[in-house]
Amino acid sequence: AQSVTQLDSQVPVFEEAPVELRCNYSSSVSVYLFWYVQYPNQGLQLLLKYLSGSTLVKGINGFEAEFNKSQTSFHLRKPSVHISDTAEYFCAVSDRNGGFKTIFGAGTRLFVKA
Amino acid sequence: DGGITQSPKYLFRKEGQNVTLSCEQNLNHDAMYWYRQDPGQGLRLIYYSQIVNDFQKGDIAEGYSVSREKKESFPLTVTSAQKNPTAFYLCASSMREWDEQFFGPGTRLTVL
Repeated sequence: AQSVTQLDSQVPVFEEAPVELRCNYSSSVSVYLFWYVQYPNQGLQLLLKYLSGSTLVKGINGFEAEFNKSQTSFHLRKPSVHISDTAEYFCAVSDRNGGFKTIFGAGTRLFVKA
Repeated sequence: DGGITQSPKYLFRKEGQNVTLSCEQNLNHDAMYWYRQDPGQGLRLIYYSQIVNDFQKGDIAEGYSVSREKKESFPLTVTSAQKNPTAFYLCASSMREWDEQFFGPGTRLTVL
């Protein structure tokens, strides 16, 4: 069965520094990959998604992610973070073998310090 | 504006009571989902529905029930059989089951 691992539960970083949030998944057969952001006491909103095509995906708010099939990874990056990026970030995967049910990672809390 | 609404935002329940959480979408999506979120545990799927009048159990369906009588609506009932119902509940919908999900603002349920 598909599984999603977000390797860091919390990532503290200073404002204007780069950040990478890591995500690995277990199966590489026909996967679709997503990153969502959740601000406190709100629902999730989509940052970016990979369905096919270019392995480098650009999303909203200056975020991007790279699909690496050989390493089964989909890490999220931003070259310069802002205080307003403080939030929880979720990686999600759906695949044909799992009946396209979407599996979410446990989340990574990004804390941007001034 | 198209989107998903959940009500109420906050809900308090006494032990032994059933409560129903509302979820409505006007995105014309076929698939709808209910998730439970606890601190440090991410999202856990309670129930999902791919079409009207049909739904399937997710990973933690015990103590919950749903209905899907209309495409736009997918209410969740938290029954007295749910032993630890205090949590943040999120409803979502998607056009296709493998595609991005659109989330509501959530309902925070507290059992007193």
